Amino acid sequence: SYELTQPPSVSVSPGQTARITCSGDGLSDQYGYWYQQKPGQAPVLLIYKDNERPSGVPERFSGSSSGATVTLTISGVQTEDEADYYCQSVDTSGPPYVFGSGTKVTVL
Amino acid sequence: EVQLVQSGGGLARPGGSLRLSCAASGFDFQNAWMSWVRQAPGKGLEWVGRIKKKTEGATTDFAAPVKGRFAISRDDSKNTIYLQMNRLKTEDAAVYFCTSVAPGSWSWFGDAFDNWGQGSLVAVSS
Repeated sequence: SYELTQPPSVSVSPGQTARITCSGDGLSDQYGYWYQQKPGQAPVLLIYKDNERPSGVPERFSGSSSGATVTLTISGVQTEDEADYYCQSVDTSGPPYVFGSGTKVTVL
Repeated sequence: EVQLVQSGGGLARPGGSLRLSCAASGFDFQNAWMSWVRQAPGKGLEWVGRIKKKTEGATTDFAAPVKGRFAISRDDSKNTIYLQMNRLKTEDAAVYFCTSVAPGSWSWFGDAFDNWGQGSLVAVSS
C-alpha cells in the first residue's frame, strides 16, 4: 500500500488562488479525486479522474496531474471555500482505496 | 435526487456490536457498488469496506483494521446496505459515512465516492 501526502494547511486571501498538492507513488498510474468537507457535513466530490468536475461544482475548482502528484486549484477563492480538502486514489496492491490526510484551507 | 439516508449508530461497549443502515434512492441501486468510510474525531477520512453489486456476487472487501470484525450486506429489495460491526474497539469510534462508489477507472466517475450519506456517530466506551 502507499500513502497520499497533502500539506496540513493552506491560507489564502479572498479572490486569490489556492493550490493544494497531493503526492503518492500510485498517482503515477491511477487517477486522483478530490473532496471538500465543511464542518459537520459529509464530504462532497469536487474533482474526479484528475481534472473532471461533476455537475454543480463551480468552475473555480479545477484539477491537474503531473507524474505522481495531483493538484487542486481554487481560482478566485471565496469565503465559502473555507473547508477541509481530501485527495483520494486507488491502491491496486492493497486495500482498494486510499485517502490523503487532508488540507485545511483558511480564507483570511 | 440521489439520497443516502443513514440510521443506527450510538454507544457500544468495547467488544460489543452495532449495526448501521443506509437507505438509497434516486439512482440505480441494484447496479451500484456501495462503501463505508469513517472519520474519527478530528481526523481524516478512512475507507472501511465495500460491497459490489449482486451480479458480481455482492463481493465485499475491507480495510485491514476492521477485517474479520465488520461485515457489509445489501438488500436490493429495500435499496439498503448494512454495516455490521462486531468486537468493537475504542479506536472504531468515528462518524461512519455510507457512500456509493464508482466501479472503476473505465466508468464515468472512475473510482470516486460520488454520493455520501449524512453520517452516523459511533461511540465505543466502557
